[in-house]
Amino acid sequence: GQNIDQPTEMTATEGAIVQINCTYQTSGFNGLFWYQQHAGEAPTFLSYNVLDGLEEKGRFSSFLSRSKGYSYLLLKELQMKDSASYLCAVMDSNYQLIWGAGTKLIIKP
Amino acid sequence: GAVVSQHPSWVICKSGTSVKIECRSLDFQATTMFWYRQFPKQSLMLMATSNEGSKATYEQGVEKDKFLINHASLTLSTLTVTSAHPEDSSFYICSARENEGIRGYTFGSGTRLTVV
Repeated sequence: GQNIDQPTEMTATEGAIVQINCTYQTSGFNGLFWYQQHAGEAPTFLSYNVLDGLEEKGRFSSFLSRSKGYSYLLLKELQMKDSASYLCAVMDSNYQLIWGAGTKLIIKP
Repeated sequence: GAVVSQHPSWVICKSGTSVKIECRSLDFQATTMFWYRQFPKQSLMLMATSNEGSKATYEQGVEKDKFLINHASLTLSTLTVTSAHPEDSSFYICSARENEGIRGYTFGSGTRLTVV
């Protein structure tokens, strides 16, 4: 079956760095997405990785290792507004998105 | 960038009534739209995939007669929750994918449905 695993909840301190991991097992792979979702709002796109390596975009970076079925989202210089759920999703061979359950990130002052 | 407009943002309805939610792609043609439901503190659950001009494909466990999906044009898909009950109260989100290429899905802003 298809499976996406990510931690349920993480806590970090304002100004620090946090890494949210995601492991996946899917039927085919056409890329991995990270989305941010604030409570009561729709998800917003953060990143897309289809090749191995690190993609950096401002304070956020995303890493992918296809051989290991592994990705992480790295958030630097954390701000209170970064408190949200972070969803990992993999596009399978049918170009359908398979969603992880999301990681709730709590930022403390 | 691609924009998906979803209306209404929130709706309260009486048990037994029907509610229609609209999802429009504003600056691109969406051959495929996806409807999700999200309960509090849970991830997105795909309900159905709708393709323009054809019947929607429903996920296992989703009642097609209760959740009517129409995708009559390349820019509009609607979800109608028929004979709504309190257990249908949830956050409903649509998502669209552009016609060409592998792109990140663009989400609508979501609809908070409360059935009383």
